[in-house]
Amino acid sequence: DAKTTQPPSMDCAEGRAANLPCNHSTISGNEYVYWYRQIHSQGPQYIIHGLKNNETNEMASLIITEDRKSSTLILPHATLRDTAVYYCIAYLYNNNDMRFGAGTRLTVKP
Amino acid sequence: KAGVTQTPRYLIKTRGQQVTLSCSPISGHRSVSWYQQTPGQGLQFLFEYFSETQRNKGNFPGRFSGRQFSNSRSEMNVSTLELGDSALYLCASSIQNTGELFFGEGSRLTVL
Repeated sequence: DAKTTQPPSMDCAEGRAANLPCNHSTISGNEYVYWYRQIHSQGPQYIIHGLKNNETNEMASLIITEDRKSSTLILPHATLRDTAVYYCIAYLYNNNDMRFGAGTRLTVKP
Repeated sequence: KAGVTQTPRYLIKTRGQQVTLSCSPISGHRSVSWYQQTPGQGLQFLFEYFSETQRNKGNFPGRFSGRQFSNSRSEMNVSTLELGDSALYLCASSIQNTGELFFGEGSRLTVL
């Protein structure tokens, strides 16, 4: 399985874009990049996923580099409620085995 | 649409006892995964079930077991509890093989 590496923590000002990086230099061609977040004391919440192309939904945007060795999750206008641990995961579809790493603790400050 | 339901939400046990946790997935979801979360180890994968069959298993001792019923509800059991088993146990359900997991609120186990 490809491993991902993320910075342990980041800060972001409220209302600004939060850009969370993820390195997955050993990802295989058929592994997707998934992002989840976990707000304190709650179960993780799915955010977005992608394979090669950039993706956007109502929560965030996912930018994957052309060589697929890294990606960035973008929260366009961070709010205090976006304070959470964000997990980047390389996932093989027919494995159904989602493994979470340490993630990035994002703190949005007023 | 009801979410993933886990029971009980909180429980306290003593060392050596056993515990059974229950998970009711979202209607129509046939895959159920279990995770253990502790401050020191983070979110660790326990096992995943689909159609009553365990398809994947994490690196946990045999004291941790699970099963899935024909209605997709799942239970996990921990026997001979140890202090280190104190954790938040999370269950997640999904439609087959999608990576979009829906998590319950968890069962917080304290072992004294």
